[in-house]
Amino acid sequence: NAGVTQTPKFRILKIGQSMTLQCTQDMNHNYMYWYRQDPGMGLKLIYYSVGAGITDKGEVPNGYNVSRSTTEDFPLRLELAAPSQTSVYFCASSYPRTGGNVDEQFFGPGTRLTVL
Amino acid sequence: KNQVEQSPQSLIILEGKNCTLQCNYTVSPFSNLRWYKQDTGRGPVSLTIMTFSENTKSNGRYTATLDADTKQSSLHITASQLSDSASYICVVSRTSNDYKLSFGAGTTVTVRA
Repeated sequence: NAGVTQTPKFRILKIGQSMTLQCTQDMNHNYMYWYRQDPGMGLKLIYYSVGAGITDKGEVPNGYNVSRSTTEDFPLRLELAAPSQTSVYFCASSYPRTGGNVDEQFFGPGTRLTVL
Repeated sequence: KNQVEQSPQSLIILEGKNCTLQCNYTVSPFSNLRWYKQDTGRGPVSLTIMTFSENTKSNGRYTATLDADTKQSSLHITASQLSDSASYICVVSRTSNDYKLSFGAGTTVTVRA
């Protein structure tokens, strides 16, 4: 299993440009998440999905969009990139457990994005 | 205000020595607390997960403790190795299937030879 994979690893954008961050998982997890990590701060949830066709906003969704057409893929779209979106982006996935067992999240390696 | 506070922000230790990292949280209700290890340039990897009914859990040289009454947790690293150099992140969730986790900012540990 490759686990959670993300592309690209690095990207530099100009203000106003758009791009899509790709995320794929091969663990057949229902739940997928997008986080951003800024220096000195905890990870912040951008969007999440509990299954194909279902997405919802997290804590910091402004400036981003997502889609979930398959179980495996959960791309994150940045429209009109702004310097405030300079960050490291992590995708994660998990399989919801029952009976009080904890739902563990598995993270991808991250995409480092700089907007100039 | 962040609901998960970690201390110290960073620390340097000599190889072979022990260290303890602290995590205080105000998240309520509380279901479980997780410690993640994040190597530079990589994604976080789970070390331990403790529910409110557990007060200690080990993973090799890593031992986590939890006091749900005082809302405090610690991560103890025994006989540190160079590969322990990383950021250690404390994460708290409200329910067992809570996808809205509260993350601490992390403690950066540097192990020197």
